[in-house]
Amino acid sequence: AQTVTQSQPEMSVQEAETVTLSCTYDTSENNYYLFWYKQPPSRQMILVIRQEAYKQQNATENRFSVNFQKAAKSFSLKISDSQLGDTAMYFCAFMSMEYGNKLVFGAGTILRVKS
Amino acid sequence: EPEVTQTPSHQVTQMGQEVILRCVPISNHLYFYWYRQILGQKVEFLVSFYNNEISEKSEIFDDQFSVERPDGSNFTLKIRSTKLEDSAMYFCASSARMYQETQYFGPGTRLLVL
Repeated sequence: AQTVTQSQPEMSVQEAETVTLSCTYDTSENNYYLFWYKQPPSRQMILVIRQEAYKQQNATENRFSVNFQKAAKSFSLKISDSQLGDTAMYFCAFMSMEYGNKLVFGAGTILRVKS
Repeated sequence: EPEVTQTPSHQVTQMGQEVILRCVPISNHLYFYWYRQILGQKVEFLVSFYNNEISEKSEIFDDQFSVERPDGSNFTLKIRSTKLEDSAMYFCASSARMYQETQYFGPGTRLLVL
């Protein structure tokens, strides 16, 4: 079965600095998709970034980028120039067609950005 | 920007009562999902729905649960006889296509069963 592990329950970072959130996953599939979702105190689950496994290039969205290591089954999220509004719970998630296309989530990492 | 909405934001009910959680997916999306998150635990898939039929359901989604699209905009999750262990945050999501497509989430409904 596919599993997603986020080993950091909580992280903190100073405003304007860079932080990296870790995620590892286990699958026997070759074609799949990985996501980072953000859940701020407002509770809305917001898509941060998405990576297709067949793409070697790491996805980037403004201050957010990933380090996708397919062989190591690792998918970390780097947040540059952290802002107070980045304070949230961050979920890593996995999806594959062979697994029915449902999202499999990690336990989440609480990120606190300090001023 | 279009977004998924959910009502109510909070619901408190007595054990054994029926609850209906409502969702309005993004208007041009065709695939709908329910997930739940018990406090302190992972977000878990419950069910996916397309073309007025359940596409897939998890082991959690037993006979006490049902989903419906009663009109062109709403998507509902019904729990017929709530149990204490149904207390959780319930998230609705929608996507334009089933495969290879990002799912967009609503803000969730926090259900508390007493």
